[in-house]
Amino acid sequence: DADVTQTPRNRITKTGKRIMLECSQTKGHDRMYWYRQDPGLGLRLIYYSFDVKDINKGEISDGYSVSRQAQAKFSLSLESAIPNQTALYFCATSDRGYYGYTFGSGTRLTVV
Amino acid sequence: AQSVSQHNHHVILSEAASLELGCNYSYGGTVNLFWYVQYPGQHLQLLLKYFSGDPLVKGIKGFEAEFIKSKFSFNLRKPSVQWSDTAEYFCAVTSSNTGKLIFGQGTTLQVKP
Repeated sequence: DADVTQTPRNRITKTGKRIMLECSQTKGHDRMYWYRQDPGLGLRLIYYSFDVKDINKGEISDGYSVSRQAQAKFSLSLESAIPNQTALYFCATSDRGYYGYTFGSGTRLTVV
Repeated sequence: AQSVSQHNHHVILSEAASLELGCNYSYGGTVNLFWYVQYPGQHLQLLLKYFSGDPLVKGIKGFEAEFIKSKFSFNLRKPSVQWSDTAEYFCAVTSSNTGKLIFGQGTTLQVKP
């Protein structure tokens, strides 16, 4: 099994719909992150969490929310999806020293 | 604000050519530096990383990078590229002050056989 698992792998949704992307990890890491990848823009940080009770906004948090249900689970929600949220979304985890980051395989989201 | 800049957005090389991809960052304090590669249709893979010590870091698949603190740079190099190196390459930086891993915009490398 993968260390960081993202579900779903692919999703097509309609404008205005609420959608949740899920991430779970078996690394035992405290820190978890959500990024989105767009061509020419690299990966941009949406939200990050240093533990279950510590959630922080990243560079581009508008239109997104997150939930850290447990140390191993970190979900990203789009409350009302819009087409410019079409992107590849990655979840990642890190250890406390920021020496090792582990990425999930990504969720390709298309908003039509 | 913290930022990472990759100078080359799209690089086209022939096989056996040498590669150097630029990366500069703006951070204060101690940083950890990374290069990731993303092959077409795949997720990110770590090429190499620098935390401390020898500023010349060797990674997988013949890649290396040099940390030059005075220039805030961490350029990626490979003496002789192969067609299989065709991919997107990302420089990323984190600092103990922030705990956030920030990426550059990425460089698409196309190697012609």
